[in-house]
Amino acid sequence: AQKVTQAQTEISVVEKEDVTLDCVYETRDTTYYLFWYKQPPSGELVFLIRRNSFDEQNEISGRYSWNFQKSTSSFNFTITASQVVDSAVYFCALSEAGTGNQFYFGTGTSLTVIP
Amino acid sequence: EAQVTQNPRYLITVTGKKLTVTCSQNMNHEYMSWYRQDPGLGLRQIYYSMNVEVTDKGDVPEGYKVSRKEKRNFPLILESPSPNQTSLYFCASRVLGNGYEQYFGPGTRLTVT
Repeated sequence: AQKVTQAQTEISVVEKEDVTLDCVYETRDTTYYLFWYKQPPSGELVFLIRRNSFDEQNEISGRYSWNFQKSTSSFNFTITASQVVDSAVYFCALSEAGTGNQFYFGTGTSLTVIP
Repeated sequence: EAQVTQNPRYLITVTGKKLTVTCSQNMNHEYMSWYRQDPGLGLRQIYYSMNVEVTDKGDVPEGYKVSRKEKRNFPLILESPSPNQTSLYFCASRVLGNGYEQYFGPGTRLTVT
């Protein structure tokens, strides 16, 4: 079974629109960690954020914000006022304390921001 | 500059010809791993290593070998590559322990004909 599900394969928005990328995870561990990575067209993987299971506070970093809800097992990522430079593939990932040496990635969401 | 390096960045080879993709990190990380990225499948872990001489299988280890003789290096070996191993490969490293983010190399695009 897929531990991390990113149901949105591709999303297109017009510049300055807000967009939310969904991430749903599945785990039986009580201690786990969630991550978001960005893969721009150049191909490298860039770390964006980490969240542990005991910290449900939402986080904002500039135009980026993350909404962690344990009740729905979701860790969604919102980009406010999107820009062309936000065009990338975004991956959500899970690491469980019980199997802390493995990362489980979702299949990614490809975001295109149209100027 | 803290980084993970991979070589080569691009490789085209033929079925059955052994190859090695090198990975090196300068952050003194205990943990290193290899992933492959395929369209629609995301990143899947091939092998990982928690320290020198300690390696373990990830989700898709078949057809690959690794070794960890030095802390900084973690080469990926394809003894007899096949076309289904055509993929984009990433090496990553991180601090050992729960919850640490991974730092990724730039990727190696491998084509096996």
